[in-house]
Amino acid sequence: AQSVTQLGSHVSVSEGALVLLRCNYSSSVPPYLFWYVQYPNQGLQLLLKYTSAATLVKGINGFEAEFKKSETSFHLTKPSAHMSDAAEYFCAVRIRSGGYQKVTFGIGTKLQVIP
Amino acid sequence: ETGVTQSPTHLIKTRGQQVTLRCSSQSGHNTVSWYQQALGQGPQFIFQYYREEENGRGNFPPRFSGLQFPNYSSELNVNALELDDSALYLCASSLGPLGTSYEQYFGPGTRLTVT
Repeated sequence: AQSVTQLGSHVSVSEGALVLLRCNYSSSVPPYLFWYVQYPNQGLQLLLKYTSAATLVKGINGFEAEFKKSETSFHLTKPSAHMSDAAEYFCAVRIRSGGYQKVTFGIGTKLQVIP
Repeated sequence: ETGVTQSPTHLIKTRGQQVTLRCSSQSGHNTVSWYQQALGQGPQFIFQYYREEENGRGNFPPRFSGLQFPNYSSELNVNALELDDSALYLCASSLGPLGTSYEQYFGPGTRLTVT
């Protein structure tokens, strides 16, 4: 069965500092991987996705993530945090299981940006 | 272009009651997925409907059921409500089912409280 582990339920960074949100997955088959962002009282918005093409994936709002098969990781980074990046971030994996595609989300990481 | 909308935004029900949540998919989208997001957790996949047929289901009991209409809007029905059903219910629509390259667009969710 596939699963996703997000290390750190809360992360605080200073404005302008590097953002690093960690995600590790387990899957017996090549996965599709996603990062979503959720602002308060809103649904999820796709930041970026890995679909077995380039291992370094660039997303919206200056975020990017690198797929590392050897480390089973898909960490999300942004060189310089902005106040508007404060939100909750979810890593997700999608694989085929039982004849269907299923998506499993991590528990989320709340990002706080300190002025 | 209208995005994904959900109704109602908030709902309070009593244990044992039944509830119906509604979702209007984005224009042109034929696939709707439903997720349950408990407080402090990531979304959990309930099921997906593609062209009015269930097309995948997560680990939820049969008292969670759904429907998709010819206009591709959808309902989530939960019978015999339990306290643990209290959560944010998210609907996501896409141009095709999970397993394709189509992105899911999420609605803002319905917050269900069971007392």
